[in-house]
Amino acid sequence: AQRVTQPEKLLSVFKGAPVELKCNYSYSGSPELFWYVQYSRQRLQLLLRHISRESIKGFTADLNKGETSFHLKKPFAQEEDSAMYYCALRGVGAGNMLTFGGGTRLMVKP
Amino acid sequence: GAGVSQTPSNKVTEKGKYVELRCDPISGHTALYWYRQSLGQGPEFLIYFQGTGAADDSGLPNDRFFAVRPEGSVSTLKIQRTERGDSAVYLCASSPGVPNEQFFGPGTRLTVL
Repeated sequence: AQRVTQPEKLLSVFKGAPVELKCNYSYSGSPELFWYVQYSRQRLQLLLRHISRESIKGFTADLNKGETSFHLKKPFAQEEDSAMYYCALRGVGAGNMLTFGGGTRLMVKP
Repeated sequence: GAGVSQTPSNKVTEKGKYVELRCDPISGHTALYWYRQSLGQGPEFLIYFQGTGAADDSGLPNDRFFAVRPEGSVSTLKIQRTERGDSAVYLCASSPGVPNEQFFGPGTRLTVL
């Protein structure tokens, strides 16, 4: 079975502070990991995926297979980063469905 | 171009009633997914279509839930004998084949009284 855990329901930081949203997963095979974001009154959208190894809106995430983690990081938070963030996993060769974590609400205070 | 659309945006029904939720995917997208998001939780997979056929329906919670995609485009999620526990936001997503990025619709908020 595949599972994604986001231990923090809420993360509150001040503008300019570093941010780390935690994500841990369990999956016996080779997973693909994603971060999705949902801004207020908008639909869920892809932020980044581990295979792209790119930085989007200043966010990065590294897949650590040893620790089964895929934490999302940004060195300097901006107020417009306030949103719900969901970590998701797709099992390679195991169908195309996404398994989501419970989400973390990020609040960036001015 | 237009994104994934879902109708209605909100649906309030009474326990025991039948409801249909509609999803219009992005034109040309062959894969379509339904997820359910209960309050305070992440989306949970229900069913996935590749073309007209259900490629994976392992997420449907019981036989009260059924989904169709007869022409490989629009999909309808059908819930019979609704229960209060069915209250949630139902999300639809589509992608241009597998594996590709899934594009989500705005969701239908279902409330069962």
